[in-house]
Amino acid sequence: DSGVTQTPKHLITATGQRVTLRCSPRSGDLSVYWYQQSLDQGLQFLIQYYNGEERAKGNILERFSAQQFPDLHSELNLSSLELGDSALYFCASSVGPRDEKLFFGSGTQLSVL
Amino acid sequence: GDSVTQMEGPVTLSEEAFLTINCTYTATGYPSLFWYVQYPGEGLQLLLKATKADDKGSNKGFEATYRKETTSFHLEKGSVQVSDSAVYFCALSESGGSYIPTFGRGTSLIVHP
Repeated sequence: DSGVTQTPKHLITATGQRVTLRCSPRSGDLSVYWYQQSLDQGLQFLIQYYNGEERAKGNILERFSAQQFPDLHSELNLSSLELGDSALYFCASSVGPRDEKLFFGSGTQLSVL
Repeated sequence: GDSVTQMEGPVTLSEEAFLTINCTYTATGYPSLFWYVQYPGEGLQLLLKATKADDKGSNKGFEATYRKETTSFHLEKGSVQVSDSAVYFCALSESGGSYIPTFGRGTSLIVHP
């Protein structure tokens, strides 16, 4: 158990809908990362937050947004969903903003039908 | 930009066979290199790392040596077990950059009894 909690584990929704994925980092970790894992793209970095502030942005679509709350949990919001958004979304955490070692949750499997 | 290339899977072996999973990288600076492992239904977890040329990372019988001259970080194990069945990800992190790991596409390993 990595100590990173993601909910829900599975999510099935329809095109055009909006969903929210939730992540609780390990106790004491201030940095949260979101990754998308799909068969065709592999594991792609989306966005990083550190202590409530956005720190780095990767290949995140404009339809997607995220935030980190004062209690350090994070939410990833996906809107106007398309079939191609179906993927496994991972959250990871680390102590600092530039730690090389990340601790991953078990992911949220999103299926857009 | 930085990138990691892994051999495509699945790699299918019998128990006690020798394992090699190839990984090469492209980086602008002098990265740290990692192998992460993802067991079924779980998130990624760090298996081993190396931070400079000729360093050997090792853990749980797995080894990988940082080869700067060939830009490679191949994963090896002398005798695999059924419990090693998982997906293995090679990754790099630029110490002079954002530190956020860039991952390869993953290689699935299946070990038969």
